[in-house]
Formats: sequence, structure tokens, C-alpha cells
Amino acid sequence: QSALTQPPSASGSPGLSVTISCTGTNSDVGAYNYVSWYQQHPGKAPKLMIYEVTKRPSGVPDRFSASKSGNTASLTVSGLQAEDEANYYCSSYVGSDTWVFGAGTKLTVL
Amino acid sequence: EVQLVESGGGLVQPGGSLKLSCAASGFTFSGSYIHWVRQKSGRGLEWVGRIMDKGHSYATVYAASVNGRFAMSRDDSKNTAYLQMNSLKAEDTAVYYCTRDNGRWALGHWGQGTLVTVPS
Repeated sequence: QSALTQPPSASGSPGLSVTISCTGTNSDVGAYNYVSWYQQHPGKAPKLMIYEVTKRPSGVPDRFSASKSGNTASLTVSGLQAEDEANYYCSSYVGSDTWVFGAGTKLTVL
Repeated sequence: EVQLVESGGGLVQPGGSLKLSCAASGFTFSGSYIHWVRQKSGRGLEWVGRIMDKGHSYATVYAASVNGRFAMSRDDSKNTAYLQMNSLKAEDTAVYYCTRDNGRWALGHWGQGTLVTVPS
């Protein structure tokens, strides 16, 4: 199973919005509504930000939103704040009780 | 508060074995599925495998890259999950995280990770 494709980097100015894409295939992202997104600050463990394509766990700010169209999922961070600077990983269920991650996107807040 | 604490990482020679532990607290461990995820230095996350609960016969599934070499287990009486790693290779060098399945096809809680180093 190949990793999902994410841009290596993204950036935006404070207060503005940025969208990170995650492209898979019709065997993973396109096949299941089980895409999740994780935030990881340097030296820290990942944190779940989005599950089941669009849902936010309790405590995740509503500045974080996500969607999916076909084989591509997207994470949008609105009203960028300095603490949003981190690496973001998408993940998808790929069937047969297995999962795959994206290679990650480094988000820089300018 | 949900906590997952990994231990057992270290330096091991190629071909050697290592057993990682994941001590859980703050939730009903026996009813939870546990995944292991690894992260090679400066790189992305890689799903390693998952162990289900007793109700599902502790069924396990592994990524192709570790299938046949790694084995997950758990001791619900100790609220602890394990990852037995055999025939280790340099490419297994990574930080290994244990994570709790949130029941919604995602990994809701993560430990702090433990580093496994296999020199080339």
C-alpha cells in the first residue's frame, strides 16, 4: 500500500486560511469515509484533529475543517495562529483492517 | 485522563529482537483496540499494525513491511499492550508509538513514543 500524497510544505499568514491536500486512490481515500488528520509539533506525539473525513474531536478548534472529493481529502486551517505551525498527516482506512498515512505537510505560519 | 506510556526501546543489533510495552490508563483498556505506528527520523508516519479486543479474539493485522517479523499481544489484566519485534533490520529504526483506536476509524490517543535503533 503506497503512502497518500501530500504536499511537503504549505504556508500562510496569521489570520488567513490554508488548505492541505491528501491524494489517494479509489482503493483508499476514494473508497471509504474514514480519512483522519493528525497534527504533530516537533518532538511531540501526533494529535488527532479530524476523523471520518469531517468530524472534530472534542477540544479541537473549529478553525480546523476538512472535506473530501473523490480520491482527494483536504484539511483547511482558518484564522491561522502561530501555534498551528506543525506537521500535518492524513490517514485513510484501506480495507482488510489496514491503514495508510500520508507523507506529511509542514505548515509554516509566516 | 487517557495515558499511553511506551517503554522497551533501545539499541539492538541487526537480526536481534526487542519487545516494546505500552501501559495504558484512564480508559477501559480491555474494550479498546490498540495500534502501533512508527516514525523514522525526520520522516512520516507508518502504520505498523493493530490488535483487537478479547471479544474479537485479540485478532491482529500487520503492515506488509513487518508481517511475519512483528507480533502484537496484550495483557488486559495489566492494561498493557506489547509489540514483539524479531529479525530486526536497520530500516526498522524509528520511534514507535502505541495508539488507541477511537472506535471511529482513527487514532484518538497516542503515547509519547519509544526509540528503537538498529544500526546498519
